[in-house]
Amino acid sequence: EAQVTQNPRYLITVTGKKLTVTCSQNMNHEYMSWYRQDPGLGLRQIYYSMNVEVTDKGDVPEGYKVSRKEKRNFPLILESPSPNQTSLYFCASSITQGATGELFFGEGSRLTVL
Amino acid sequence: GNSVTQMEGPVTLSEEAFLTINCTYTATGYPSLFWYVQYPGEGLQLLLKATKADDKGSNKGFEATYRKETTSFHLEKGSVQVSDSAVYFCALRGNSGGSNYKLTFGKGTLLTVNP
Repeated sequence: EAQVTQNPRYLITVTGKKLTVTCSQNMNHEYMSWYRQDPGLGLRQIYYSMNVEVTDKGDVPEGYKVSRKEKRNFPLILESPSPNQTSLYFCASSITQGATGELFFGEGSRLTVL
Repeated sequence: GNSVTQMEGPVTLSEEAFLTINCTYTATGYPSLFWYVQYPGEGLQLLLKATKADDKGSNKGFEATYRKETTSFHLEKGSVQVSDSAVYFCALRGNSGGSNYKLTFGKGTLLTVNP
């Protein structure tokens, strides 16, 4: 089954404790991206990757890192989480770099930083 | 930059009522337009899309037409069901490369359909 898989789905952590949210897709997609969803703000892009070893900042990259060493994986790293990073995070991927391709989304990772 | 403005809601309807959720956009070039739906506790899934002017996207009884002259992509359904209760997001994807390939979302519209 074609899918985007994120882990963990739920996480409660404390300020400053490094964490990684993994994302993996099995559709051989070149394009991958991370979004965060907050009430009243909709979804905002954190980072994206056009292909292996190619990553770039989205609209809200502060406090996050990513890597793209393999085509299928695109982990999101919070080196020193803070409470304002409490959010619902979505990973997404696309078969094409063009405008017409739909993004496929994971089920989301709900992160709480105390 | 690109932007999407959609009716914020919440919208509450009775079953079999007619639904319209307005969406307008600002973009350079020739973006593609999408409606995504998010059911409670789930991720986003594509509902329909249109990739050029005057295209009509349709799925599960929902329709939206890409109107370049009014920069709009309003979502409609003739008769909603309780199972349509969800958050609906209008989105656009640019085609001029790099950061423009991202999906730019509206803020979402919560729809509740009562029996």
